[in-house]
Amino acid sequence: NAGVTQTPKFQVLKTGQSMTLQCAQDMNHNSMYWYRQDPGMGLRLIYYSASEGTTDKGEVPNGYNVSRLNKREFSLRLESAAPSQTSVYFCASTLGQGSEQYFGPGTRLTVT
Amino acid sequence: RKEVEQDPGPFNVPEGATVAFNCTYSNSASQSFFWYRQDCRKEPKLLMSVYSSGNEDGRFTAQLNRASQYISLLIRDSKLSDSATYLCVVNNPGGYNKLIFGAGTRLAVHP
Repeated sequence: NAGVTQTPKFQVLKTGQSMTLQCAQDMNHNSMYWYRQDPGMGLRLIYYSASEGTTDKGEVPNGYNVSRLNKREFSLRLESAAPSQTSVYFCASTLGQGSEQYFGPGTRLTVT
Repeated sequence: RKEVEQDPGPFNVPEGATVAFNCTYSNSASQSFFWYRQDCRKEPKLLMSVYSSGNEDGRFTAQLNRASQYISLLIRDSKLSDSATYLCVVNNPGGYNKLIFGAGTRLAVHP
């Protein structure tokens, strides 16, 4: 039981490049989330998927797209990376309303 | 006003000390409350849920005051391994399964 896994762990991109961050959970959770965390700031929600087949914008969705591929997998895509997207990205999942979220180990992204 | 506010610290305490963190939240309709712990450059991990009557888990005690919209975490007999950032987390009642994270309070326990 691996919980929530994310790939890659580290990535360096040049401005304008694209990439997809992968996330998978094996806990049979319904809802999945993508957050970014910047120094001195709390976690900010980028996108979330309440259930398989649905996605919704969070607090800071601009510059990102997501795909809920199936119940297990939720990917985050940066179409044209910008230096402002340098951050640590965390994926999380939860079973249902009011439940705690479980986080993956994060992806450290630097855009130069 | 931020939805979840915490004192960023750092709180520097000696081993064995008792330390308390506070947190306020803005939405009176919130129903779920948690404390998470985050070690440097790692993912947040659930420390404990917070229940209306207050709850304890070993050296950790959490309290909720709905009238004042205030949550607290008390750590007794601090250990070096307690050094971390503690995140206050509240559910967003308007958003399905969404949680709102405070920016965290940093604790440094020294010998």
